[in-house]
Parts: sequence; structure tokens; C-alpha cells
Amino acid sequence: EAQVTQNPRYLITVTGKKLTVTCSQNMNHEYMSWYRQDPGLGLRQIYYSMNVEVTDKGDVPEGYKVSRKEKRNFPLILESPSPNQTSLYFCASSLSAGRYLAFFGQGTRLTVV
Amino acid sequence: AQKVTQAQTEISVVEKEDVTLDCVYETRDTTYYLFWYKQPPSGELVFLIRRNSFDEQNEISGRYSWNFQKSTSSFNFTITASQVVDSAVYFCALSGPFSGAGSYQLTFGKGTKLSVIP
Repeated sequence: EAQVTQNPRYLITVTGKKLTVTCSQNMNHEYMSWYRQDPGLGLRQIYYSMNVEVTDKGDVPEGYKVSRKEKRNFPLILESPSPNQTSLYFCASSLSAGRYLAFFGQGTRLTVV
Repeated sequence: AQKVTQAQTEISVVEKEDVTLDCVYETRDTTYYLFWYKQPPSGELVFLIRRNSFDEQNEISGRYSWNFQKSTSSFNFTITASQVVDSAVYFCALSGPFSGAGSYQLTFGKGTKLSVIP
């Protein structure tokens, strides 16, 4: 079954404690991206990756890092999380750019206290 | 820069009423895709429809229909005979051009929360 898998689904952490949210897709897609969703703001793109070792900033990259060492995986790293990063995070993948349908993961609800 | 506006933040309707969710977009690209996604209370994003910039045909799928008008840069979504299960947040989204700079963009509106009351 074609899918994008995020882990964990829920996470509560403390300010400053480094964390990684994993994202994996089994569709051999080139393009992957991360979004955060906040009430009243919709989904905003954090980072995206066009292929292995090729990443670029989206609209709200501050406080986040990503890596793309393998085609299937695109982890989101918060080196020093802060409460304003409390949000619902979505990973997405597609064959290429926006013209192709994006498949979304189930979401990760992160709370930073 | 691209922009998607969903002016209706929240809508409440009584079951069996029809409801239209508005979406207005801005882009300088001549090629693009428009999307609608549904986010039920469980939180996942469910793909509903994709239309490309060359295809202004309206589409109907069961109780759902979409009206794409390039002249007004709108891509509105109508639910006929609404049901409680339609209660969700609905997002409209706009892609970048088919190729070249900006082709990796996917810009979302802020969403419209629809509540269908029994």
C-alpha cells in the first residue's frame, strides 16, 4: 500500500531537548516536504527536498533542520525546540513538483512545554 | 508570490442544506494545479480533487461539485444535501508552475471549518 509514514504521531517534550520526527515513503517519490499547521494559519511549508541531498527552505524554516540521505526518508530535526514550535506537522511526498498529487502522512502533534 | 484566500473561517449549516466553500487564488503562473483537501476531526488530510489551469470544466462527484473560473481566479466547492460526516476543515491549495522556478511550491489557504448540525 502506497503511504507516507510519520513517527511519532504524538510527542510532548521540553524546551531545548533535541528531537527528530521521522518521515518515510514507499512510493519512490523524488519530492518530499514538511508542513506545519497552526489554527487560523493553514498549512505552511517548512522545508522541501527535490531529491537525495537536495533540500531548500520553505516559508517558515527557522528552528528546523532536515536531511535527505536516502530517497525514502526525510526527517525533520528540531535542535532546540521552543514552545512556539508546538504544532501539527505533516510530511508529504510526490513524484515531482506541485503538478503531481502530494501524499500526506498522518500528522505528528508536537507539544513543547 | 502565490496566495490562496478562503474568506470563510467557519460555516455552520443544518443537515441536508447545501453549502459552498469559497476559494480565491492569486498567481502569476500560467500553469498550475488547484486542490481541495478535507481534514476531519481525526486530523489526517484527505485529497478531494485536483484541477489543472487549462481545464475549467466543472466537476461533480456524488454530493460534491467544484466550480473553477479562471476569470475570477476562483475554485469553489459545493456540498449538496450536507451530512454530519461532512463536518471537517476544508483546505484549498495552489501549486506552482508545471516546471521551472517555483514548481515545488504548494500554497494552502487557511481553511474553512464546516460544521453540519443534525
